[in-house]
Amino acid sequence: GQNIDQPTEMTATEGAIVQINCTYQTSGFNGLFWYQQHAGEAPTFLSYNVLDGLEEKGRFSSFLSRSKGYSYLLLKELQMKDSASYLCAAIDSNYQLIWGAGTKLIIKP
Amino acid sequence: NAGVTQTPKFRVLKTGQSMTLLCAQDMNHEYMYWYRQDPGMGLRLIHYSVGEGTTAKGEVPDGYNVSRLKKQNFLLGLESAAPSQTSVYFCASSFHGDGNQPQHFGDGTRLSIL
Repeated sequence: GQNIDQPTEMTATEGAIVQINCTYQTSGFNGLFWYQQHAGEAPTFLSYNVLDGLEEKGRFSSFLSRSKGYSYLLLKELQMKDSASYLCAAIDSNYQLIWGAGTKLIIKP
Repeated sequence: NAGVTQTPKFRVLKTGQSMTLLCAQDMNHEYMYWYRQDPGMGLRLIHYSVGEGTTAKGEVPDGYNVSRLKKQNFLLGLESAAPSQTSVYFCASSFHGDGNQPQHFGDGTRLSIL
């Protein structure tokens, strides 16, 4: 079957760096998305990876290793507003998104 | 620029009642999707549409119907609501279905079935 695994919850300190991991098993692979979802709000797009390597966007970076079925989202210089859930979604061979349950990130001052 | 708009935002139903959730997008996107989000689970696709007049089943279609009569609108119907359908429902749209097009989400409809 198809599956996405990511930690349920993580805690980090304001100003620090945190890495949120995601492993996937899908029938075929056409890329991976990361979304941010604040409590009670809609998911919003953060990043897309299809090739191996690191994609950097300001304080946020996303990494992909296709051979390992692994991705991570790296958040630098954490701010209180980064407290949210982070959703990993892999795209299978039919271009359907397979979603992880999300990682709730708690930022402490 | 509204993006994806869902109505209503909240609704409480009794078991057996029917209702329709409305989704409208103003981005001229071809693809539209209905998901449900439950605690501890990933988003699950209910139905989707690849263009006006088309619909297709997703992962959890039972108990739901959809229609896409106009490109900008995607309607989700619950024929006979059941407590198991208590959830947060999200509508999303994308320019096309190729991998590199992110989906844009509405603010969600919080539905409780008593």
